[in-house]
Amino acid sequence: QLQLQESGSGLVKPSQTLSLTCAVSGGSISSGGYSWTWIRQPPGKGLEWIGKILQSATTYYNPSLKSRVTISVDRSRNHFSLKLTSVTAADTAVYYCAREGNWEHYFDFWGQGTLVTVSS
Amino acid sequence: DIQMTQSPSSLSASVGDRVTITCQASQDISNYLNWYQQKPGKAPKVLIYEASNLETGVPSRFSGSGSGTDFTFTISSLQPEDIATYYCQQYGNLRTFGGGTKVEIK
Repeated sequence: QLQLQESGSGLVKPSQTLSLTCAVSGGSISSGGYSWTWIRQPPGKGLEWIGKILQSATTYYNPSLKSRVTISVDRSRNHFSLKLTSVTAADTAVYYCAREGNWEHYFDFWGQGTLVTVSS
Repeated sequence: DIQMTQSPSSLSASVGDRVTITCQASQDISNYLNWYQQKPGKAPKVLIYEASNLETGVPSRFSGSGSGTDFTFTISSLQPEDIATYYCQQYGNLRTFGGGTKVEIK
């Protein structure tokens, strides 16, 4: 059974860079047919798609975050990562990683989520 | 950008009631729409994909319909375990979620 697990700093200071990693187990991140996604949810609010990385390493980002976001993949470690620069309190959220199928375009496997708080 | 307008934002219904949630896209997305259920403290779970397809293992009381810009999600007979927040999500262009509908028991 595929499992995804987010890790990274739970507290980030304003203007600094948020960095998270999603470790994939029970399957290879290099297997074809899937893209790897980051989604966030501010406390008590709805879901926001951040972006994704394809098998080809092509990336797509939410236009509202595009100037600050980078998603990358490390196939040797079977994980993918998120960097979000110049954070503010508005970036405080639970961050989820997820897998999306290239044929059935829905998020079928999710991490448990990790809370990142932006505060000095 | 494609915006997804979901309504209502919350509802209260009795066990056994029929519950309907709507989602409207700001432009035509064909049937490129999914529905998720999220319980407190948990990651969302897909219930319906491609507007009307029931995910394996999901009870048949859940259903979805629609195409173009207007979509509907229905719980035919609300059960206590259905208390959750429901989200629509489009994949016609990038990805966008609706604002969510919190379903409570009356």
